[in-house]
Amino acid sequence: AQSVTQLGSHVSVSEGALVLLRCNYSSSVPPYLFWYVQYPNQGLQLLLKYTTGATLVKGINGFEAEFKKSETSFHLTKPSAHMSDAAEYFCAVGRSGGYQKVTFGTGTKLQVIP
Amino acid sequence: DTAVSQTPKYLVTQMGNDKSIKCEQNLGHDTMYWYKQDSKKFLKIMFSYNNKELIINETVPNRFSPKSPDKAHLNLHINSLELGDSAVYFCASSQVDRASYEQYFGPGTRLTVT
Repeated sequence: AQSVTQLGSHVSVSEGALVLLRCNYSSSVPPYLFWYVQYPNQGLQLLLKYTTGATLVKGINGFEAEFKKSETSFHLTKPSAHMSDAAEYFCAVGRSGGYQKVTFGTGTKLQVIP
Repeated sequence: DTAVSQTPKYLVTQMGNDKSIKCEQNLGHDTMYWYKQDSKKFLKIMFSYNNKELIINETVPNRFSPKSPDKAHLNLHINSLELGDSAVYFCASSQVDRASYEQYFGPGTRLTVT
């Protein structure tokens, strides 16, 4: 069984401030972890993913996330928020091997204040 | 070129009607998915097909019937539409045997049942 918890359904940051979106997961096997972004009226787009290897992963648009097994976390960060970052962000967990049933979190809406 | 496309983008219909949503991917992937996103942005998997074979079938009413005529297409037919079926339906695809494991999403079909 696997599950994802995203803390905070809404996060507001000022333009230029640090973005931190929190994600904790539960998985009975080593997880594969993903962050997706959804802009208004669009589908989901992959930001970054962790499968194996380096625990700090970098993605598109300056985002990065760190896999911390001891904390079962995969928080998403960006040093400086841009207005264009305003969107809905989804954390997701999957597993290696077999068919890829991915479980999504409930999403965090990021608001960037000018 | 659009990787995952869905038609129609918007669908407004009355309760009791039958409707279909079509999905096509040109990525050469062998696995396709249907997700339902409700008004609170919660994303839930409904079905998944691998090489035209149904591999994931979540707890979904029998009124929903997926069909995959080939690897590149996955359609969703809904009978006797109900108000609660109103949502955005996303198609996605992935390649099972690739280590990347990410899913590519279509733009969504917004279904409104009146």
